[in-house]
Amino acid sequence: EAQVTQNPRYLITVTGKKLTVTCSQNMNHEYMSWYRQDPGLGLRQIYYSMNVEVTDKGDVPEGYKVSRKEKRNFPLILESPSPNQTSLYFCASSPRGYGEKLFFGSGTQLSVL
Amino acid sequence: LAKTTQPISMDSYEGQEVNITCSHNNIATNDYITWYQQFPSQGPRFIIQGYKTKVTNEVASLFIPADRKSSTLSLPRVSLSDTAVYYCLVGYGQNFVFGPGTRLSVLP
Repeated sequence: EAQVTQNPRYLITVTGKKLTVTCSQNMNHEYMSWYRQDPGLGLRQIYYSMNVEVTDKGDVPEGYKVSRKEKRNFPLILESPSPNQTSLYFCASSPRGYGEKLFFGSGTQLSVL
Repeated sequence: LAKTTQPISMDSYEGQEVNITCSHNNIATNDYITWYQQFPSQGPRFIIQGYKTKVTNEVASLFIPADRKSSTLSLPRVSLSDTAVYYCLVGYGQNFVFGPGTRLSVLP
């Protein structure tokens, strides 16, 4: 089944403790991206990647890192999480970007205490 | 990137047709118009996409006037399970920008 898989589904951590949220897609998509969703603000893009080793900042990249060493994986890294990064995170992919249909993962609810 | 404006919320009753309009006054020539549906705690799900005129699939229709400065998502005969947030997305490049969306409540 074609899908975008995020892990973990829920994560509670403390300020400053590095964490990684994984994202994997099995559709051979070139484009992948990360969003955060907060009440009343919709989805805001954090980072995106057009292909392996190609990443770029979205609208809210501060405090986040990403890497794209393999086509199928696009992990989101929080080197030193802070409470204002408490949010619902979604990974998405599409064949090439460029307005094409986005496939979203099920989300990761992160709480930073 | 084109900014979109949608109503914050809408109410409807089961069996009615629902039309949600999105304004995108500064849409670019290459931009596509895409609508997504999101249920609580789930990722958005693609509904329909168009460039101009009318597009129809098994769940919705999308109407785009000639100037492309707006678009209307039409959901025929909604049911309770259509209660969700609907997002209009306009773009072509890599930086997809979602607005706050329209919260549709379908009442029995």
